[in-house]
Amino acid sequence: SYELTQPPSVSVSPGQTASITCSGDKLGDKFASWYQQKPGQSPVVVIYQDRKRPSGIPERFSGSNSGNTATLTISGTQAMDEADYYCQAWDSSTAEEVFGGGTKLTVL
Amino acid sequence: DVQLVESGGGLVQPGRSLRLSCAASGLTFDEYAMHWVRQAPGKGLEWVSSISWNSGRIDYVNSVKGRFTISRDNAKNSLYLQMNSLRAEDTALYYCAKDAYPEYSGQGYFDYWGQGTLVTVSS
Repeated sequence: SYELTQPPSVSVSPGQTASITCSGDKLGDKFASWYQQKPGQSPVVVIYQDRKRPSGIPERFSGSNSGNTATLTISGTQAMDEADYYCQAWDSSTAEEVFGGGTKLTVL
Repeated sequence: DVQLVESGGGLVQPGRSLRLSCAASGLTFDEYAMHWVRQAPGKGLEWVSSISWNSGRIDYVNSVKGRFTISRDNAKNSLYLQMNSLRAEDTALYYCAKDAYPEYSGQGYFDYWGQGTLVTVSS
């Protein structure tokens, strides 16, 4: 089955840029989405179709996807961005939605 | 505003059954694919099942195939998950999620999520 790999944790200082990677075989050939989940809350999509931002998501969130890696970038990271982040893609060969294992972003 | 409200979770013994429901409002329900996603306590997200707008296409994660059945009633704006032969490893918070498109495919994504309903499988 298709797998997406994320680093378990990423730390960033307030105001700096955070980058969270998601790796999978030929992931660049698929669309990647990113979800933010804060403690006790449901996930919220922050990036879809590699680089598109839903309405209401701050411009500091951006995405890219090429080769085997999709990247979520948060510019000027704020304390409120501290959360778990999950990448997701659809595997056409199995018709399965696949999530990465998640990355805990710490803003310190 | 789109609202998805799950119900039907609870404590159940291994081998027994449970039926989850998801009531949708604030959207034209029959225009979108729907999904179930679960999250075991302290763990990550795991996709469980998907159903297209007209139930013409349905898929499951391997671990629930033959035990879980997804369905929808567009007249009632509702999504369901019938879970049979439950196992301890099915213990999780089950989310109902809406797709942005009628058919789930590579371009789709989960644009709205419910608050989840907790399923605990234990003797």
